[in-house]
Amino acid sequence: DGGITQSPKYLFRKEGQNVTLSCEQNLNHDAMYWYRQDPGQGLRLIYYSQIVNDFQKGDIAEGYSVSREKKESFPLTVTSAQKNPTAFYLCASSRRGTTNEKLFFGSGTQLSVL
Amino acid sequence: AQTVTQSQPEMSVQEAETVTLSCTYDTSESDYYLFWYKQPPSRQMILVIRQEAYKQQNATENRFSVNFQKAAKSFSLKISDSQLGDAAMYFCAYRSSQGAQKLVFGQGTRLTINP
Repeated sequence: DGGITQSPKYLFRKEGQNVTLSCEQNLNHDAMYWYRQDPGQGLRLIYYSQIVNDFQKGDIAEGYSVSREKKESFPLTVTSAQKNPTAFYLCASSRRGTTNEKLFFGSGTQLSVL
Repeated sequence: AQTVTQSQPEMSVQEAETVTLSCTYDTSESDYYLFWYKQPPSRQMILVIRQEAYKQQNATENRFSVNFQKAAKSFSLKISDSQLGDAAMYFCAYRSSQGAQKLVFGQGTRLTINP
């Protein structure tokens, strides 16, 4: 079945540690996105990528980094510079990044600080 | 920058009744898209309904329909014949017709269905 796979489902970070959240899609989608969701709030865009080897900052990119070396993969690294990383992280993809295509979401990763 | 506001943090409705969730947005653009997403306890984001701003006709999907008032920048969601499975967080979202497909989300409304 085609879809988006996020792993792990739960992740714990120690102080000063970088952690990487995985996002893989087999939908052959060009565009991929990372959103952050805090309790009781909507989703905020961290980074997005419309094609391989290219990505742009979203509204809250500070303390995060991404790469897009393969079309299928868009990993998100939460660096030690992100002082409040505890949140639910959602990855999404769409067939084309510049048209009204439906976004497909993964099942998310809950990141907590130890 | 565009903003989306959902003024109802929580709503409840009796099973089989009708409920309307409110959403307003702010934009200077004339062409854009609006969405309602549902997030059940599983946290999976599910697209409920989509509206293109250039279409005057309100979108409908089975028991879900919208009331799109472009001049008032209002985009409410009506759920008819509410079912227990409709209980979830509902998010209104905006997307510009220009550039990348970035969604701007409202804060969400938690909908409870009373049996």
